[in-house]
Amino acid sequence: NAGVMQNPRHLVRRRGQEARLRCSPMKGHSHVYWYRQLPEEGLKFMVYLQKENIIDESGMPKERFSAEFPKEGPSILRIQQVVRGDSAAYFCASSPKGSYNSPLHFGNGTRLTVT
Amino acid sequence: ELKVEQNPLFLSMQEGKNYTIYCNYSTTSDRLYWYRQDPGKSLESLFVLLSNGAVKQEGRLMASLDTKARLSTLHITAAVHDLSATYFCAVSETNEKLTFGTGTRLTIIP
Repeated sequence: NAGVMQNPRHLVRRRGQEARLRCSPMKGHSHVYWYRQLPEEGLKFMVYLQKENIIDESGMPKERFSAEFPKEGPSILRIQQVVRGDSAAYFCASSPKGSYNSPLHFGNGTRLTVT
Repeated sequence: ELKVEQNPLFLSMQEGKNYTIYCNYSTTSDRLYWYRQDPGKSLESLFVLLSNGAVKQEGRLMASLDTKARLSTLHITAAVHDLSATYFCAVSETNEKLTFGTGTRLTIIP
């Protein structure tokens, strides 16, 4: 049973370019979460999605960032016009429906570097 | 806004010694998680604590939760090198949105 799959593992973008980060949840999981980790810091919640719905995006920056989880295919975190401050590790996590008391399963992350 | 604080932030300990990492949080929650992260890697779930007084143990690690004090502890017994990692506690407010502590970077010295 494959775990949460994220790609790419490493992504380098120049300032002003777009970054697309992909996340395929574990089989049978319908809830996806994105977290960002800056160097030497803990993870910060960004967005919580279910299939075709954004449930909670309270941690998403108001501009340049968007997320989707379509009916088919992976969840995508999109960052437009990247800036140096976007450099971070972005982790995706998933959980099955109704998993109130279960831990989240995290992917290996995408490390974004903006040059 | 929920705040989660861990201390210490950095911890060097000798092999064989015992130590405790503390996690305080600011608002009521009945779910607390401990995760381990190795450098450059993802987070590995260690414990899920769901009720006041909960205690869980796995190998040399033991976690406890006091919801009245809003405090969880992660106790390390007779540390070994393999336990060197960063340990995070995380507290849930609603749904599965977790607020993470800043982490405790643990280094076990031979």
